[in-house]
Amino acid sequence: NAGVMQNPRHLVRRRGQEARLRCSPMKGHSHVYWYRQLPEEGLKFMVYLQKENIIDESGMPKERFSAEFPKEGPSILRIQQVVRGDSAAYFCASSPLQGAGTEAFFGQGTRLTVV
Amino acid sequence: AQTVTQSQPEMSVQEAETVTLSCTYDTSESNYYLFWYKQPPSRQMILVIRQEAYKQQNATENRFSVNFQKAAKSFSLKISDSQLGDTAMYFCAFMHFGNEKLTFGTGTRLTIIP
Repeated sequence: NAGVMQNPRHLVRRRGQEARLRCSPMKGHSHVYWYRQLPEEGLKFMVYLQKENIIDESGMPKERFSAEFPKEGPSILRIQQVVRGDSAAYFCASSPLQGAGTEAFFGQGTRLTVV
Repeated sequence: AQTVTQSQPEMSVQEAETVTLSCTYDTSESNYYLFWYKQPPSRQMILVIRQEAYKQQNATENRFSVNFQKAAKSFSLKISDSQLGDTAMYFCAFMHFGNEKLTFGTGTRLTIIP
């Protein structure tokens, strides 16, 4: 059973470009979470999605950031018109159940560098 | 809102020694979960140990154990017989029952010295 797969592992974008980060959850998991880790900091929650639904986006910046988890295919975190401050590691996690405190399995992250 | 505080940015111990990492949290809820995650240089987030707040017994996983003090809102991690592979960042995290998002502390960088 493959773990949570994120790609790319490293992504370099120029200021003003778009970044698209992909996350394939573990098989059988229908809940996906995105977190951002700034240098030397802990992970900060961004958004929680189920298939075709955004459940909680309280941690998402109001502008330029969006996320989706379509019926088919991976979850996508999209950052439009990137700025230097978007440089960070973005982690995806998945879990099979809701409300049970089940373990969230993390991917290896995508390190975004904005130049 | 929940907050998680790790007051030790860095720690180092000799191999085979025991080390304790501190974590305190703040919440008004009574049902929740607490976690310790390990992040080695590979950046992979690895679950070390998990504690349900309604359980009085402290969780243990081989060389890893916790001291959960609910009244004091304290959740420390003890690593016994430390090994070189334990070198990593360690994050304490909180999850409210019924809400799947994790709130992380700022981490403790642990170095095991040969």
